[in-house]
Amino acid sequence: EDKVVQSPLSLVVHEGDTVTLNCSYEVTNFRSLLWYKQEKKAPTFLFMLTSSGIEKKSGRLSSILDKKELFSILNITATQTGDSAVYLCATTYNNNDMRFGAGTRLTVKP
Amino acid sequence: NAGVMQNPRHLVRRRGQEARLRCSPVKGHSHVYWYRQLPEEGLKFMVYLQKENIIDESGMPKERFSAEFPKEGPSILRIQQVVRGDSAAYFCASSPRVSTGEKLFFGSGTQLSVL
Repeated sequence: EDKVVQSPLSLVVHEGDTVTLNCSYEVTNFRSLLWYKQEKKAPTFLFMLTSSGIEKKSGRLSSILDKKELFSILNITATQTGDSAVYLCATTYNNNDMRFGAGTRLTVKP
Repeated sequence: NAGVMQNPRHLVRRRGQEARLRCSPVKGHSHVYWYRQLPEEGLKFMVYLQKENIIDESGMPKERFSAEFPKEGPSILRIQQVVRGDSAAYFCASSPRVSTGEKLFFGSGTQLSVL
């Protein structure tokens, strides 16, 4: 069965901490892995990863994909309270299938 | 703002009533996706539509749920004879073509509460 598993489900840190969010997947005909940030309501796109070992960065956020071990991590350095959100991982596979993980709820305390 | 528009934002229904959720995609987008999000769960795919066609409805319950995306007007997700378990946030997303995920734009969702 195709699945995307995220860990941890929730995480509480203090401002300035560095966090690592995990996403593992098992899908057929993998195409890409995506990270979204969901605050309040609509998810917003962060990264799309298709190749192993190539880190993508955007400010304090970075992500990398390991297609051999079937997982990705999302790192956030020097966390801020504005980073508090649910972080969703999703994979696209087959022709146009897309499956989301359950998300990691990150809470950053002042 | 020409993003994905969903309405209503909040919808309250009693058991047995019908719920109609509307989604207007980004102008020019012809692909619409509906997702359901239960508390503490991720987004679960329900249905993928192109104009006037249902492409993939594998995630949508076969009973009581239906979706359409007419040539003119918004996409509609209809839930007949709602039950308490239908209470959830329903998100719509649109893309200009078959989505690779990067080009997927989400609406703000409709929160359905069934009393």
